[in-house]
Amino acid sequence: QPVLTQPPSASASLGASVTLTCSLSSVYSNYKVDWFQQRPGKGPRFVMRVGPGGIVGSRGDGIPDRFSVLGSGLIRSLTIKNIQEEDEGAYHCGADQGSDSNPWLFGGGTKLTVL
Amino acid sequence: EVQLVESGGGLVQPGGSLRISCAVSGFTFTDYWMHWVRQVPGKGLVWVARINSDGSSRSYGNFVGGRFTISRDNAKNTLYLQMNSLRVDDTAMYYCARAGHWGQGTLVTVSS
Repeated sequence: QPVLTQPPSASASLGASVTLTCSLSSVYSNYKVDWFQQRPGKGPRFVMRVGPGGIVGSRGDGIPDRFSVLGSGLIRSLTIKNIQEEDEGAYHCGADQGSDSNPWLFGGGTKLTVL
Repeated sequence: EVQLVESGGGLVQPGGSLRISCAVSGFTFTDYWMHWVRQVPGKGLVWVARINSDGSSRSYGNFVGGRFTISRDNAKNTLYLQMNSLRVDDTAMYYCARAGHWGQGTLVTVSS
């Protein structure tokens, strides 16, 4: 089964851009990954799905177009432009591997701090 | 508006039982498989269980070991997780989720 690896932390200044990465373990280069935003004290919020060719489907409800994704090789990245204070929180990636046992795997999450 | 609202969490002693619920609205419940996912505060997300749209197929994370049962009442638009033989390491926020939407969670604390 795939393993999803995320850096534990990232930071960016207000108005700047940041790219968060989710690395798939080898041989899973065709996997799609979901990105979730989790603001402090809140439940996860679906941002968008990304595959090797980029976005799959549409952004989650209320997600602004400052958020974009890219899929390349074993990396599924989420870029946030013009960072706002409300973007601070944890960002999780998750993959549905379509199997009956443990179908939904998650990375460890990246805590984004807005400076 | 799609809403998933969990309830039923609380403090329970090791070895005890608890049933948590997730009431949904704003979408056709029977169109979706549903999941429970848990999170120790400050840690990552861990998938717990899922159930198909008519309740005939269920699957669980390896750590469940027969202790939890996921179920749904499609007439009441409600998802459940019955948790038995609870352990201290089951302490977590429990979220219900469907494709594209999550609830706000209900906190389960297992402690003596």
